[in-house]
Amino acid sequence: EPEVTQTPSHQVTQMGQEVILRCVPISNHLYFYWYRQILGQKVEFLVSFYNNEISEKSEIFDDQFSVERPDGSNFTLKIRSTKLEDSAMYFCASSERGDRGYTFGSGTRLTVV
Amino acid sequence: GENVEQHPSTLSVQEGDSAVIKCTYSDSASNYFPWYKQELGKGPQLIIDIRSNVGEKKDQRIAVTLNKTAKHFSLHITETQPEDSAVYFCAAIPNSGYSTLTFGKGTMLLVSP
Repeated sequence: EPEVTQTPSHQVTQMGQEVILRCVPISNHLYFYWYRQILGQKVEFLVSFYNNEISEKSEIFDDQFSVERPDGSNFTLKIRSTKLEDSAMYFCASSERGDRGYTFGSGTRLTVV
Repeated sequence: GENVEQHPSTLSVQEGDSAVIKCTYSDSASNYFPWYKQELGKGPQLIIDIRSNVGEKKDQRIAVTLNKTAKHFSLHITETQPEDSAVYFCAAIPNSGYSTLTFGKGTMLLVSP
């Protein structure tokens, strides 16, 4: 069964450092998303991406965050200057259509120290 | 925006019993309601979904019901097994273009042998 692949599975970074989280969506999917989950809390939407541009973003997705699809397969989330409160599990997801059938990756656990 | 409330936050049942998890949503335009199962250290996995033109959907031991008038939907698991133990999230997505999932806070289901 096709999978969404995320790397790394765990990243520890110093506060103020930049991090890049990587995702390989399912190959025939057109819509890509980043969500995050702070420990013990619900999954929160960050940003959606379609046709090489951001289609929606939440209040969480401020100027410290950016997304990119640098080639035909990867989808990245960059946090420019990490804060302690950025510590969370970050999930990438993709869907063939924008209104159903999301497939999530296994996540990257980001720990900011 | 959409707001999804989920109850209960934890649910403990004996193996073989049924489990019911309930969600309400606020946006009457929402028309797609997936349920996700999240096991420890993994991303959310879609287990069943329902669209607003259907009142009930069943897949083996899992069923979902939807009441559009009351704006609530429920997950029913019959003959529970220890491997059903996980966190379950409901979600909703409005009827618009590049829309995003709004998740409930999750229910930790514990099935005791």
